Amino acid sequence: EVQLQESGPGLVKPSQSLSLTCSVTGYSITSNFWGWIRKFPGNTMEWIGHISFSGTTAYNPSLKSRISITRDTSKNQFFLQLNSVTSKDTATYYCAKGNYFDYWGQGVMVTVSS
Amino acid sequence: DIVLTQSPTTMTASPGEKVTLTCLASSAVNYIYWFQQRSGASPKLLIYFTSSLASGVPDRFSGSGSGTSYSLTINSVEAEDAAIYYCLQLTTTPLTFGSGTKLEIK
Repeated sequence: EVQLQESGPGLVKPSQSLSLTCSVTGYSITSNFWGWIRKFPGNTMEWIGHISFSGTTAYNPSLKSRISITRDTSKNQFFLQLNSVTSKDTATYYCAKGNYFDYWGQGVMVTVSS
Repeated sequence: DIVLTQSPTTMTASPGEKVTLTCLASSAVNYIYWFQQRSGASPKLLIYFTSSLASGVPDRFSGSGSGTSYSLTINSVEAEDAAIYYCLQLTTTPLTFGSGTKLEIK
């Protein structure tokens, strides 16, 4: 069974970087696409970006200057780094599998506050 | 960016009722995808390629549409269908989600 699990700090200070890990079991990240999505308070959902089976990435242009998605195939994990965070980055962050997100992690709530 | 507008924003239905949720795109898209997010849970894929039912999804759910107009229909709604429903387009980047429809069950 495919499972994804996000991990990372729940609280980040403004101007710092947010780093999240998505650990995948039951499926190799060297196949398919692997994405990050966030849900803001108030229910708006935003696609952040993805990394492909070959390691190529695609990012939301609204975040492109601040984000990086990488992976460690030996650990079957992929990562999100979001730089220079502000309170507007407060959200629940999800990782998900595939072109159309057929499997999701449970999400990690991240608050940006001093 | 393609904007997806969902309506209604909120709706209330009684068990057994048929409900239809709408997703309108600002430009034509190839397909729409539908997700259900129950309170406290992660989003769950319901429909892919506009009308294909995802694995394990009850067949009271169905999707249809083309171009800029799409819909999700729930035949004979049940209490467990209380959730927020989102549509998603993958035709152009950035991928975009609709603003969601909250379905409440009486």
